[in-house]
This record gives sequence, structure tokens and C-alpha cells, in this order.
Amino acid sequence: DTAVSQTPKYLVTQMGNDKSIKCEQNLGHDTMYWYKQDSKKFLKIMFSYNNKELIINETVPNRFSPKSPDKAHLNLHINSLELGDSAVYFCASSQDFGRGRWVETQYFGPGTRLLVL
Amino acid sequence: KNEVEQSPQNLTAQEGEFITINCSYSVGISALHWLQQHPGGGIVSLFMLSSGKKKHGRLIATINIQEKHSSLHITASHPRDSAVYICAVRTRASGGSNYKLTFGKGTLLTVNP
Repeated sequence: DTAVSQTPKYLVTQMGNDKSIKCEQNLGHDTMYWYKQDSKKFLKIMFSYNNKELIINETVPNRFSPKSPDKAHLNLHINSLELGDSAVYFCASSQDFGRGRWVETQYFGPGTRLLVL
Repeated sequence: KNEVEQSPQNLTAQEGEFITINCSYSVGISALHWLQQHPGGGIVSLFMLSSGKKKHGRLIATINIQEKHSSLHITASHPRDSAVYICAVRTRASGGSNYKLTFGKGTLLTVNP
């Protein structure tokens, strides 16, 4: 009955490869997010989707492309992986996102630890 | 300088002590989040605040919008409270209706038995 799930939990890959991380939420939430946590423990938001529509797109390389097939899923595809992409990637969801209503809380997935060799 | 500053960076306490973690921010915000990250890496959202005070169990979060400051308090601390506590603020992004979240570096709390 996991609320927000991510797969895989660990991902070790070579530079230059293309990989995807999947995220699913079964909370019926309208908004999903991808965050990156670097080695210094900073959490940075990368993308946010509300009802399959992109609403936040922070400055990330074009090699990162989010895909939202439906509002319960937000996948992260990374092309041509680089050493600096090594980090923990967190997916999260919330009921709503602004537009005049407060977001009560965000529910986070367990994280995907990506190591690029 | 980060838009969100947390203090202290590290905090060690004895079981039972009252804990305070502070968060200051330099921009106008629409909401502030307190998050908890356990040693295994999982992140839990604790509170979202836009004003005043919220309480959940032994955790209390307060925010002073005028002073741009929030505090997270833990009463009767316990070793299982050991974690990283992260403050995040929600602000309007440039270009219209989008928002962004900016995170502090976190405070590593260790509660010894």
C-alpha cells in the first residue's frame, strides 16, 4: 500500500547511457514532483506536473526529460548520463499546487540512488 | 548566499531535551515546509505553514512572516527523532503562475539515550 513508489531503488550505470526512473502514486493526487539531492544534501526541485501539465521546470540540462502518461505517474528519463548526475532522486506528490489553494503536504517516495561510473 | 538558512547545522542532544531548529529566509514566501529525512534516506513531510503555529504529537512548528523566520520544536526528544530536518520555502517563480521550492541544507539532529 505504498503511497509513492519509485523504481529502481538503486541504479548503477556507465557514463553515456540512457536510463529511466519511474514514479507512481496511489493517493489520487493531482501534482507530482521530481527532486535531486546532491552529495552535499541539498534538495533541489527539478520538475513538477499538475494533471499531466508541466508547471515547474527549473534549470536542468535538456538531457533530463519528465514524462507523465497519466496523473498517477511521473517518470524521469535521463539521456547521455554524466558523472555529475550521480545523486539521489526523489519523487513526491501533493493534492494540489497553488492556484489559490494551499498545498497541505507533499508525500515523498523512498528515493532512487543513481551512481554513474 | 542561500535564500534559506537553517541553524544549527548539527545538533546533539540528550534524550528528553527540548529541541529547537531555526529557519530564516530572505524572500517573500507563500508557504514553508518542514521535512524529515531519516538515516536510510527516506523523506517525510512534517508540516506546511503559511502563518501561526501547528502541532503534531511532540512536534511544533511556528512561523513569523514579518520576521521571515520559522522554528521547529521537538519536546521530550527521543533517539528515534535522530534525522536531518529540512526547511523549504515556496515562492513564486519568474514568468507568471509557477511556483518553486527552495530548500535549506538541513539540520542533522542526533539524540543520545
